[in-house]
Amino acid sequence: EVQLVQSGAEVKKPGESLKISCKGSGYSFTSYWIGWVRQMPGKGLEWMGIIYPGDSDTRYSPSFQGQVTISADKSISTAYLQWSSLKASDTAMYYCARTSSGYPVDVWGKGTTVTVSS
Amino acid sequence: EIVLTQSPGTLSLSPGERATLSCRASQSVSSSYLAWYQQKPGQAPRLLIYGASSRATGIPDRFSGSGSGTDFTLTISRLEPEDFAVYYCQQYGSSPPGTFGQGTKVEIK
Repeated sequence: EVQLVQSGAEVKKPGESLKISCKGSGYSFTSYWIGWVRQMPGKGLEWMGIIYPGDSDTRYSPSFQGQVTISADKSISTAYLQWSSLKASDTAMYYCARTSSGYPVDVWGKGTTVTVSS
Repeated sequence: EIVLTQSPGTLSLSPGERATLSCRASQSVSSSYLAWYQQKPGQAPRLLIYGASSRATGIPDRFSGSGSGTDFTLTISRLEPEDFAVYYCQQYGSSPPGTFGQGTKVEIK
């Protein structure tokens, strides 16, 4: 079964760092893009960025460039999303999602809730 | 960047009625690389339609997609209780990741 398994919920304080993960299984991890999607409470879906684990080609949406870092470790089929200094406005659900060129997202992780509060 | 605008923001309908959701793109979507997703509360989105009109695996035939260029439509022929949810369109093109529309909520009237 193809699946993306995300790390668990996080509660952090402003200014703290965080790295959440997304592990792929049941398919060739290096042959698909993995993207990160933010969903703020009660709001819509926003692409943050995307990585191709095969060659680490990474692209960021303009709104998120410089705000987060996306990486991947193909040896353990895992993609990451990290922040160096969290803000309260980073409170959201974060989904990882599998896609490929010319294809829609066909597999979603269940999401990781990040809560940033003092 | 292609901007997708969905309308209406909210659709209030009764079970058994027909739902028509619109997605308009700011520029032409190449090769009809347009998808629709359904999201229920507390769940990740689920792919319904890709290529503007092809149903994803396991999607009931009451869901249909149409359109090309800049205007696309998702139709639910007869609403079932489980269809009340938020629906997003996405253009995905040949260069990931593409963009999402802001969503249409289909609620029970």
